[in-house]
Amino acid sequence: EAGVAQSPRYKIIEKRQSVAFWCNPISGHATLYWYQQILGQGPKLLIQFQNNGVVDDSQLPKDRFSAERLKGVDSTLKIQPAKLEDSAVYLCASSLQFGEKNTEAFFGQGTRLTVV
Amino acid sequence: KQEVTQIPAALSVPEGENLVLNCSFTDSAIYNLQWFRQDPGKGLTSLLLIQSSQREQTSGRLNASLDKSSGRSTLYIAASQPGDSATYLCAVRTNYGQNFVFGPGTRLSVLP
Repeated sequence: EAGVAQSPRYKIIEKRQSVAFWCNPISGHATLYWYQQILGQGPKLLIQFQNNGVVDDSQLPKDRFSAERLKGVDSTLKIQPAKLEDSAVYLCASSLQFGEKNTEAFFGQGTRLTVV
Repeated sequence: KQEVTQIPAALSVPEGENLVLNCSFTDSAIYNLQWFRQDPGKGLTSLLLIQSSQREQTSGRLNASLDKSSGRSTLYIAASQPGDSATYLCAVRTNYGQNFVFGPGTRLSVLP
């Protein structure tokens, strides 16, 4: 079974530039999450999708971050414009729909973003 | 609001020791709890998932327990090996929020 795929693995940009991350979840997983992990901390949820609908985006800085999950499969997370404090690892995860018997979450390798 | 803490923040042990990592959460209305391992520069690898109705789960040298009433979970690692060196994170999925709330992690070093 293929895992969660993310790209790119690494990205270095200057502040005020824009950047986009891509995620392909495990086939059949209705729920997709984007997490931000700052060095030395646990991951923090940015946005959660159920199919192509947003379940929770309460911690997403909507003035600069946006995300979409067209057709309920792949997802893209965008930052525009980037700030220095956005330097972090961006993790994508997927799981079966909430309420299913096994809702184990599986994570991708992450995208390490450095804003200079 | 669910908050998750992990103690200790870092742990260094000699190879072969048995060890316990602790995870505490403030809201006992959880759907499940999952333990992850994270190697430097890598994503998260799922170790064990415990449903709210379960008391423990085992996989090889790993055993995770769950006590919802006290808001605690422990991860027991038997006969530790240098390859177990990593950061261990616990994540709680609440009944209402659906998403996973993570602790800050415990950084484990197993010395040969």
